[in-house]
Amino acid sequence: SQQGEEDPQALSIQEGENATMNCSYKTSINNLQWYRQNSGRGLVHLILIRSNEREKHSGRLRVTLDTSKKSSSLLITASRAADTASYFCATSRGGFKTIFGAGTRLFVKA
Amino acid sequence: NAGVMQNPRHLVRRRGQEARLRCSPMKGHSHVYWYRQLPEEGLKFMVYLQKENIIDESGMPKERFSAEFPKEGPSILRIQQVVRGDSAAYFCASSIELAGALDEQYFGPGTRLTVT
Repeated sequence: SQQGEEDPQALSIQEGENATMNCSYKTSINNLQWYRQNSGRGLVHLILIRSNEREKHSGRLRVTLDTSKKSSSLLITASRAADTASYFCATSRGGFKTIFGAGTRLFVKA
Repeated sequence: NAGVMQNPRHLVRRRGQEARLRCSPMKGHSHVYWYRQLPEEGLKFMVYLQKENIIDESGMPKERFSAEFPKEGPSILRIQQVVRGDSAAYFCASSIELAGALDEQYFGPGTRLTVT
């Protein structure tokens, strides 16, 4: 079954550094989305990239998608302590069912 | 425009009791999705509903779990005779319509169920 798998499972960096998280999946997709979840809170949608797109930017976020390798990366530049959260990739083949990975836990030290 | 609302935020039940989780989608949204998140894991899809219809319940256990989205009122996820393994965070999401690959689901804050 298709599932996003994030790598690494946990990441600890200093404020100001860049954070890169990767996601791999198994089957063809229509789109891939990245979400953030602060501890004890709900999910926040960050960015959606379609299967025919290779790169997308939103503020300090940069997402790439390589459908040949079935992988995506999320780059957060100039990280801040407030970026501390869990980050999930989610894949969709179209329609309503979105499959989430287990997430990467990012800790940004001030 | 209020976001997706879920209540209660925290729910404690003893083994064997029933748990009722409510989800009010964003205004204008007629599609509701329920997910379960076990500790240290990602979200798992449970069920997808439109008003008065269950479209896909492939992720929901066959026994003890049920969901509804009536014409009026919130969507309800019901867990009967809860067991300790049901302890998890349950998230509801809504979307305005099923629009192929471009749907963006808006998530509620979740209900944390603890079974003692």
